[in-house]
Amino acid sequence: EPEVTQTPSHQVTQMGQEVILRCVPISNHLYFYWYRQILGQKVEFLVSFYNNEISEKSEIFDDQFSVERPDGSNFTLKIRSTKLEDSAMYFCASRGDNTDTQYFGPGTRLTVL
Amino acid sequence: RKEVEQDPGPFNVPEGATVAFNCTYSNSASQSFFWYRQDCRKEPKLLMSVYSSGNEDGRFTAQLNRASQYISLLIRDSKLSDSATYLCVVRDYGQNFVFGPGTRLSVLP
Repeated sequence: EPEVTQTPSHQVTQMGQEVILRCVPISNHLYFYWYRQILGQKVEFLVSFYNNEISEKSEIFDDQFSVERPDGSNFTLKIRSTKLEDSAMYFCASRGDNTDTQYFGPGTRLTVL
Repeated sequence: RKEVEQDPGPFNVPEGATVAFNCTYSNSASQSFFWYRQDCRKEPKLLMSVYSSGNEDGRFTAQLNRASQYISLLIRDSKLSDSATYLCVVRDYGQNFVFGPGTRLSVLP
């Protein structure tokens, strides 16, 4: 069964450093998402991406964040200058056309020290 | 303003029990509704979509009441493996999927 993959599974970084989280969505999917979940809290929408551009973003997704689909398979989330409060699980999700069903990757745990 | 609210939980029930989860949403223009389950430190996984006519999948039954902006999930004959956090998810207009805070279920032997 096709699945969304994410790398790395765990990223530890120093405050102020840049990180890039990587996702490979399901191959024929058209809509891509990033979510974050701070430990013990709810899943929060960050951004959605369709047709090579951002379609929606939340208040959390400020200028420190960016997304990119650098090639036909990868979908990345970049955080330019990490803060302590960026520590969270980051989930990538994708969905196909004509369906509301999202498939989530296993997540990247980001720890900012 | 909380967009999607759920029973605070946790729910601790014995095996074989029937348990019901409730969810309300604030945006009357919401289009689609889902229940996901999330195991500890894992990704959310779709349990079922929720339709106005109600739908059932084995031991799981979901109901939607658009007039009351209310969604429910019923689990019958609960198993130990049902222990997880159950997330109510609502799709607003556009691409925004809003997650509720989740209700944790522990099924006890």
